[in-house]
Amino acid sequence: DTGVSQNPRHKITKRGQNVTFRCDPISEHNRLYWYRQTLGQGPEFLTYFQNEAQLEKSRLLSDRFSAERPKGSFSTLEIQRTEQGDSAMYLCASSSRDNYGYTFGSGTRLTVV
Amino acid sequence: KNEVEQSPQNLTAQEGEFITINCSYSVGISALHWLQQHPGGGIVSLFMLSSGKKKHGRLIATINIQEKHSSLHITASHPRDSAVYICAVTRGANSKLTFGKGITLSVRP
Repeated sequence: DTGVSQNPRHKITKRGQNVTFRCDPISEHNRLYWYRQTLGQGPEFLTYFQNEAQLEKSRLLSDRFSAERPKGSFSTLEIQRTEQGDSAMYLCASSSRDNYGYTFGSGTRLTVV
Repeated sequence: KNEVEQSPQNLTAQEGEFITINCSYSVGISALHWLQQHPGGGIVSLFMLSSGKKKHGRLIATINIQEKHSSLHITASHPRDSAVYICAVTRGANSKLTFGKGITLSVRP
């Protein structure tokens, strides 16, 4: 297992376009998280899956954001009608049930121009 | 007030110095994590603590549950230790992390 994989690493998009990011967690981990980090700040929680169930969504996650984990393995995060304020690093992490092995991906850096 | 506060905000040290980074939190927690982030974004988990002390190589993490405080110590610091060190907590059965802003450490040769 090569850890948590995120694709793409970088994405530049025009305002108003839709973007989709993918996260492949560690295969034994049933918990998957999405976080967002802006420059100079710590990451902020967006949403969390246990297996295929989305158990929690942050108020930060507006109607333009949607996340899925259809088979309890990989996850996708889609942002519709992107805005400049969406520019950030989007981080995915996975962990086991007891939170051991909390592992982050390298992130997807989104720039909205 | 943020639930997780870190101090100092920025820290510069000379190679070989003993370094202490502090983290205070204002809520009941189930565990505290220390994370390291290098330029370019990658975050590495260093420690997960719910009590006492843990050691890994030159890194030592301690936590005082009563005082809601944790410290990360780096012994014999090296320029490759230069990174952002982030403290994060989980609460109860909820496994999401609540992060501090992180501290930027620069170790000069």
